[in-house]
Amino acid sequence: DIQMTQSPSSLSASVGDRVTITCRASQSISNYLNWYQQEPGKAPNLLIYSASNLQSGVPSRFSGSGSGTDFTLTISSLQPEDFATYYCQQSYSSPRSFGQGTRLEIK
Amino acid sequence: EVLLVESGGDLVQPGGSLRLSCAGSGFIFSDYGMNWVRQAPGKGLEWISYISRDAGIRYSADSVKGRFTVSRDNTKNSLYLRMNSLRAEDTAVYFCARDAYDAAFDCWGQGTLVTVSS
Repeated sequence: DIQMTQSPSSLSASVGDRVTITCRASQSISNYLNWYQQEPGKAPNLLIYSASNLQSGVPSRFSGSGSGTDFTLTISSLQPEDFATYYCQQSYSSPRSFGQGTRLEIK
Repeated sequence: EVLLVESGGDLVQPGGSLRLSCAGSGFIFSDYGMNWVRQAPGKGLEWISYISRDAGIRYSADSVKGRFTVSRDNTKNSLYLRMNSLRAEDTAVYFCARDAYDAAFDCWGQGTLVTVSS
């Protein structure tokens, strides 16, 4: 099974900051890497698919990069609504594992 | 509007059974593979099961293999999860999610809570 490891587990930042979250796969997953945002009490929301493709309706301040085993999610200028938990997920093989999550908090 | 609505969550005793449902609308249900994902209280997301468009392919996580069964009825635009031999560690919110580009999950239901406790 492929293990997904995110870092950091939590992060404090301010509105307007540039933030980067990393995700590492235990083996190569090509570009089969997706990013989700989850607000408390709500379902996850797809942000980025196939490592770098912005899902329709998602603001352009979100971007993704990487391939193989190392991936990043970048938020170019944090907005108040971005404070949430972010998960990466591999869709290369079953089980389609998620990272443990990164909680983004207001500084 | 694309919509997924789960139902069937409940309080059940250890060893008991439950069937969850997920109703899809606003899209051609039979065109998409579907998944179940769960989230224990205060924890992260755990993928648990996938079923292909025609139910010909099914995958499950080891944590539920042999106990949970995914199925679908395309005539009713519905996805199901039959859960047997429930344990306390199965307590979670269960989400259904649609498979999209490169198997990303582009649409999620609101979730249904399953609590396993005596």
